[in-house]
Amino acid sequence: SQKIEQNSEALNIQEGKTATLTCNYTNYSPAYLQWYRQDPGRGPVFLLLIRENEKEKRKERLKVTFDTTLKQSLFHITASQPADSATYLCALVPNYGGSQGNLIFGKGTKLSVKP
Amino acid sequence: DAGVIQSPRHEVTEMGQEVTLRCKPISGHNSLFWYRQTMMRGLELLIYFNNNVPIDDSGMPEDRFSAKMPNASFSTLKIQPSEPRDSAVYFCASSRATGPNEKLFFGSGTQLSVL
Repeated sequence: SQKIEQNSEALNIQEGKTATLTCNYTNYSPAYLQWYRQDPGRGPVFLLLIRENEKEKRKERLKVTFDTTLKQSLFHITASQPADSATYLCALVPNYGGSQGNLIFGKGTKLSVKP
Repeated sequence: DAGVIQSPRHEVTEMGQEVTLRCKPISGHNSLFWYRQTMMRGLELLIYFNNNVPIDDSGMPEDRFSAKMPNASFSTLKIQPSEPRDSAVYFCASSRATGPNEKLFFGSGTQLSVL
């Protein structure tokens, strides 16, 4: 079956450490993969998009990798802060030629950064 | 820009009642999406519009659900009659277009409770 899995429902780390979140997918051939952040009581907020021919993308303390062979994306937050605590969602359009109307979201990983 | 605006923020109703959720997308965005989020199933696309025209409503659970977009600045999602299993957070999102590399902008959602 086709699906997106985010490695764990919850991840707890200490402030200052690097948080690594995993997104695995099966039976898809996405051209792009996106990451969103969701705070309690709010809608998801777009963070980063990575193309299938980009191995890595960075934005400030965030880094995303995309391995189409492993069918996996890793999302890293370096020097994590309590303000980074939120749920992080990965999303992809399953196939080439698809539109945002086909965007599929993982269930998310809830990150808690302890001071 | 005010972002995507949804109303109401919370709705509590009794089974069998009609519920109408409202959304104002970001000005200039051509695509509008309605999502439902639950703990069990995560974020699920219900329907999306492009240039006010419904493109794909295959995610609408059943005939009790209907959505309209009478103009570029307003959309409604209606549930009639509502049932307890409809309880969820409903999000509206908009994007400039429907390309797979477009990012979505979400509203803050409507928390629906059907008693």
